[in-house]
Amino acid sequence: SQELEQSPQSLIVQEGKNLTINCTSSKTLYGLYWYKQKYGEGLIFLMMLQKGGEEKSHEKITAKLDEKKQQSSLHITASQPSHAGIYLCGARPLGINSGGSNYKLTFGKGTLLTVNP
Amino acid sequence: DTAVSQTPKYLVTQMGNDKSIKCEQNLGHDTMYWYKQDSKKFLKIMFSYNNKELIINETVPNRFSPKSPDKAHLNLHINSLELGDSAVYFCASSHDQLGRRLTQYFGPGTRLTVL
Repeated sequence: SQELEQSPQSLIVQEGKNLTINCTSSKTLYGLYWYKQKYGEGLIFLMMLQKGGEEKSHEKITAKLDEKKQQSSLHITASQPSHAGIYLCGARPLGINSGGSNYKLTFGKGTLLTVNP
Repeated sequence: DTAVSQTPKYLVTQMGNDKSIKCEQNLGHDTMYWYKQDSKKFLKIMFSYNNKELIINETVPNRFSPKSPDKAHLNLHINSLELGDSAVYFCASSHDQLGRRLTQYFGPGTRLTVL
């Protein structure tokens, strides 16, 4: 089964600093999803990457997928307290286009981000 | 407008009881999911329905029974609740377009505490 490793497990930064969270897969990824979860709330979809080398940005958050499609990074520029939360990467297995396996997302264990004002 | 909603948001109950959690989505999606997030925040798929048909059934005790009365609803019924069932349960939905599995959108979660 596919496993996703996220690093670091937790991160504390000062407001205004840049930071990067990584997500590494044991297998080639078909789709890589980044979500953010605030305490006591659901998951908020941030971005989805599918092609090798793809990069997407939304406001101050940029996500990249490497050419081999086995590693993704999430970069936050000039962090703010509103960026605090748990960041989760989720992925679909590669090459399985029928049956139930391609529907499910496998998640990493999350990165807890704290931004101190 | 709420896209994926769950009720209740909090559920506290005694061991051995039977309880249900309801999920509704108004996104017009045809696939719905139940995930469980444990105390370590690890999120894991439990079930998935596509057009009211069960397509994913992970290794989950048969005390857990999903029911999808229509494409917009997926409920989760749990019999004989145990302490280990305490967790946050998330519902999600997505649109399966021409065989492509698209982005999953999550509900706010139901925090279940079994005493």
